[in-house]
Amino acid sequence: DSGVTQTPKHLITATGQRVTLRCSPRSGDLSVYWYQQSLDQGLQFLIQYYNGEERAKGNILERFSAQQFPDLHSELNLSSLELGDSALYFCASSKSGGQGDIQYFGAGTRLSVL
Amino acid sequence: GQNIDQPTEMTATEGAIVQINCTYQTSGFNGLFWYQQHAGEAPTFLSYNVLDGLEEKGRFSSFLSRSKGYSYLLLKELQMKDSASYLCAVRDLDAGNKLTFGGGTRVLVKP
Repeated sequence: DSGVTQTPKHLITATGQRVTLRCSPRSGDLSVYWYQQSLDQGLQFLIQYYNGEERAKGNILERFSAQQFPDLHSELNLSSLELGDSALYFCASSKSGGQGDIQYFGAGTRLSVL
Repeated sequence: GQNIDQPTEMTATEGAIVQINCTYQTSGFNGLFWYQQHAGEAPTFLSYNVLDGLEEKGRFSSFLSRSKGYSYLLLKELQMKDSASYLCAVRDLDAGNKLTFGGGTRVLVKP
């Protein structure tokens, strides 16, 4: 158990809908990262937050947004869902995001868009 | 940008040794990580290299050569449970210090 908690484990929804994925980082970690993993692609970095502020952005679509709250948990919002958004979404956390900082991953949320 | 290459798949026999290579191109290298991922599960951290040389951790070792843009993960005394994907990831200072992952190498351990 990495100490990173993600909910829900599975999510099935329809095209055009909106969903929210939740992540609680390990105790003491200030940085949260979101990744998408599709069958035909590797782990793709979406976005990073550090202590409530956005720190880095990857290939995150405009339909997707995220935030990190004062208690350090984070939410990833996916809207106007398309079939191609079906994937595993992982959250990871680390102490600071600096050199040598190790990211620990949650168990992921499997999103199926039908 | 970054380019990380690793073989797609490797097969080895239980008890043997397997070496997974990873080559990368990055402008602001700031560390290389190896993760293990079983199908449908979370990646789990295996090793970290930022200086040249070999890091050993039990049955797993990781090597880095920064001048060659090259790393390998060595898995010794293979066990059936080592069947998984192994992900090479590079941190780049010039890319906001974020981690970029290779496509992963699927290792199949046969009895």
